Amino acid sequence: AQSVTQPDIHITVSEGASLELRCNYSYGATPYLFWYVQSPGQGLQLLLKYFSGDTLVQGIKGFEAEFKRSQSSFNLRKPSVHWSDAAEYFCAAFTGNQFYFGTGTSLTVIP
Amino acid sequence: NAGVTQTPKFQVLKTGQSMTLQCAQDMNHEYMSWYRQDPGMGLRLIHYSVGAGITDQGEVPNGYNVSRSTTEDFPLRLLSAAPSQTSVYFCASSSQGGAGGYTFGSGTRLTVV
Repeated sequence: AQSVTQPDIHITVSEGASLELRCNYSYGATPYLFWYVQSPGQGLQLLLKYFSGDTLVQGIKGFEAEFKRSQSSFNLRKPSVHWSDAAEYFCAAFTGNQFYFGTGTSLTVIP
Repeated sequence: NAGVTQTPKFQVLKTGQSMTLQCAQDMNHEYMSWYRQDPGMGLRLIHYSVGAGITDQGEVPNGYNVSRSTTEDFPLRLLSAAPSQTSVYFCASSSQGGAGGYTFGSGTRLTVV
């Protein structure tokens, strides 16, 4: 069955530190892959997406993600985290029929 | 562009009442979906539609109905509200048959007492 796994429920980083949020997908072919961010009380906002081609994709707010086919992973990264990045992050995959979301990773940023 | 508009933003229902959550998008997206979000469970798909007149069930369809008479609108109906339906509901739409990624509405927070 298709699925998206975010193994880290909660991550805490210091402001200015680097960030990596993990995402793994389970699907026979390479799906379309997405990262979304949700601030408290808000809807989800698209950070970036991967369809094909270059394995490193750039998104908004200084985020990037790397697709690794061999590991079925699509990890989100940011070189230097800002306090305003504190939010919930969701990885998602679209398989041509349905979207599948991970359960989210909550990011706390400490000063 | 307004994007995806959900109404109401907040609603309190009594057990057994029915209501309709409205969702409208002005981006001419074919693909629309309804999700519920509960703590620790992420987003769960209730129903989705790949175009006007076509709907299908998602992961948690029981207790909900949808219809898609126009491209723009995708209302979600709660037939007989139960406390287990207390949740935050999100409507989302997508271009390119879903491959364009979702645009989400701002959500409806529903409490059933």
